[in-house]
Amino acid sequence: AQKVTQAQTEISVVEKEDVTLDCVYETRDTTYYLFWYKQPPSGELVFLIRRNSFDEQNEISGRYSWNFQKSTSSFNFTITASQVVDSAVYFCALRMAAGNKLTFGGGTRVLVKP
Amino acid sequence: GAVVSQHPSWVICKSGTSVKIECRSLDFQATTMFWYRQFPKQSLMLMATSNEGSKATYEQGVEKDKFLINHASLTLSTLTVTSAHPEDSSFYICSAYRGRQQPQHFGDGTRLSIL
Repeated sequence: AQKVTQAQTEISVVEKEDVTLDCVYETRDTTYYLFWYKQPPSGELVFLIRRNSFDEQNEISGRYSWNFQKSTSSFNFTITASQVVDSAVYFCALRMAAGNKLTFGGGTRVLVKP
Repeated sequence: GAVVSQHPSWVICKSGTSVKIECRSLDFQATTMFWYRQFPKQSLMLMATSNEGSKATYEQGVEKDKFLINHASLTLSTLTVTSAHPEDSSFYICSAYRGRQQPQHFGDGTRLSIL
């Protein structure tokens, strides 16, 4: 069975601070996909990134960066120079290559104060 | 722009009413769609997998007679909450599967309030 753990339930920072969201996953499969989604207060889920299990390159997109460490089964997400608009719940999710279901973590609520 | 449209965004109705929620893939054909339920400050809970042209697959503990799913076309899945009661009040969100190399695309969700 698959499992995704986001140990931080809520993080509060002041604008311009960096914030790192942890994600640890469990799976016996060797091929899988990892995702991060953002859920702002309005409720919709916004896709941020997908990472294949065989691609351990870290990725940067603007103020967002992701650190995939297969050895520790972690896929952490960092927001650099946070802004108030980054306030949202962020979900890490796992999908098996052979399947189509997503397994979500519990989510981390990020509050960026001005 | 949005690739999955969900309607309505908000529903407030009396106990005993049946409520239908639509999920449409806008620019691709989705043989598989998913329905999730989310309680306040909690994660998404998968309710069922909707398969075009066949019966939906429900997760353990989800009442199939309570939550009717129909996926009659490649771009539309509907979730009907039958004889809704206050405990059915929740945020329902759908997603469409576009293939292994693609992420799931989510609708904007429906907030259902049963009085």
